[in-house]
Amino acid sequence: GAVVSQHPSRVICKSGTSVKIECRSLDFQATTMFWYRQFPKKSLMLMATSNEGSKATYEQGVEKDKFLINHASLTLSTLTVTSAHPEDSSFYICSARVRAQGEQFFGPGTRLTVL
Amino acid sequence: SQQGEEDPQALSIQEGENATMNCSYKTSINNLQWYRQNSGRGLVHLILIRSNEREKHSGRLRVTLDTSKKSSSLLITASRAADTASYFCATDKNQGGKLIFGQGTELSVKP
Repeated sequence: GAVVSQHPSRVICKSGTSVKIECRSLDFQATTMFWYRQFPKKSLMLMATSNEGSKATYEQGVEKDKFLINHASLTLSTLTVTSAHPEDSSFYICSARVRAQGEQFFGPGTRLTVL
Repeated sequence: SQQGEEDPQALSIQEGENATMNCSYKTSINNLQWYRQNSGRGLVHLILIRSNEREKHSGRLRVTLDTSKKSSSLLITASRAADTASYFCATDKNQGGKLIFGQGTELSVKP
């Protein structure tokens, strides 16, 4: 099956700093990538949809200036949490899709802790 | 907002028993998918059932879909301790691949 990786798997940062999370499709080209956020024992909340070469589409309530998404190539999307605060601490998961109505493959997630 | 509602929220069974999880949704869908998540890990795709399908099997998994009731069920037969995980349903309304996840069922299978 297709493999999606995320880096880093775990990051701890100080309040006010920015953190970049990478999502890579390792053995396929992903036309669309999705970023989710998950709180402990909760479901996944879609944050944004990222299409290669175009601006990301953010879900209602998600601050685009806070969560910067770049999808520069068919195998890489990045999520940058700018000026992170403790309330941004969460589990961030990306997924990648090959084509329309194709299966989504999920990355292993990144645990962000903001002190 | 989350569309899917799942029940039960938590389920504890003995190894060898069957586990049934249910998912309800509110609007029409293109397909419904079930995922598994081990604690602190990413999601693993289990099965996809399209809106024109009523039942699908994959190994020990059986998924049903009732579009008139807007509900789906996931049955895991002959459960194993390794099946312990959280299970999520996710609906695809054919909006560019966006998935709306249910709240999940935490399954515990005791050896």
